[in-house]
Amino acid sequence: DGGITQSPKYLFRKEGQNVTLSCEQNLNHDAMYWYRQDPGQGLRLIYYSQIVNDFQKGDIAEGYSVSREKKESFPLTVTSAQKNPTAFYLCASSRQGRETQYFGPGTRLLVL
Amino acid sequence: RKEVEQDPGPFNVPEGATVAFNCTYSNSASQSFFWYRQDCRKEPKLLMSVYSSGNEDGRFTAQLNRASQYISLLIRDSKLSDSATYLCVVNGGANNLFFGTGTRLTVIP
Repeated sequence: DGGITQSPKYLFRKEGQNVTLSCEQNLNHDAMYWYRQDPGQGLRLIYYSQIVNDFQKGDIAEGYSVSREKKESFPLTVTSAQKNPTAFYLCASSRQGRETQYFGPGTRLLVL
Repeated sequence: RKEVEQDPGPFNVPEGATVAFNCTYSNSASQSFFWYRQDCRKEPKLLMSVYSSGNEDGRFTAQLNRASQYISLLIRDSKLSDSATYLCVVNGGANNLFFGTGTRLTVIP
């Protein structure tokens, strides 16, 4: 069963805490992406990676970090520097850049 | 100016109606165009890619007008299950996609 998985489904963050969102895909896709969705707004790109051990900042990278040590995995860390982290976080992948992106089920991050 | 603009709606239509959404994009160099569907509190799912010649998939028809830089989605014979938010997505060059804010559709019995 090929697809993209994200965990956890819901995540609660305390003030000053770093949290890591998981994203795994078994579609053998080269490119992976992280987006943030806020109510009434379109998806905004946080980071993307076209190949293992390489990634680029998107439009709203401040306060976030990523790694791409394996083709299948692209975890996102929301650091304490991100002052407004409450949002729906979506991970996506595509065979290569510019091609159709497929999304995981998302993680809702809430601040306590 | 936003990369992709959509009428947010909501569009409330009766079952069986035909409804059309439009979307405009700002980057004339864009090469790839898509419509995604997003249900409440779920991830976006690809509905259809949009080709230059226009394409049809069952009750759904997508059109691209490069000269005017807009994309349309037509839904015929609306079903209750079509209720969702429809996202217009445009390749912005390099490897980025730009997403519209979505148009919300509610099909009423």
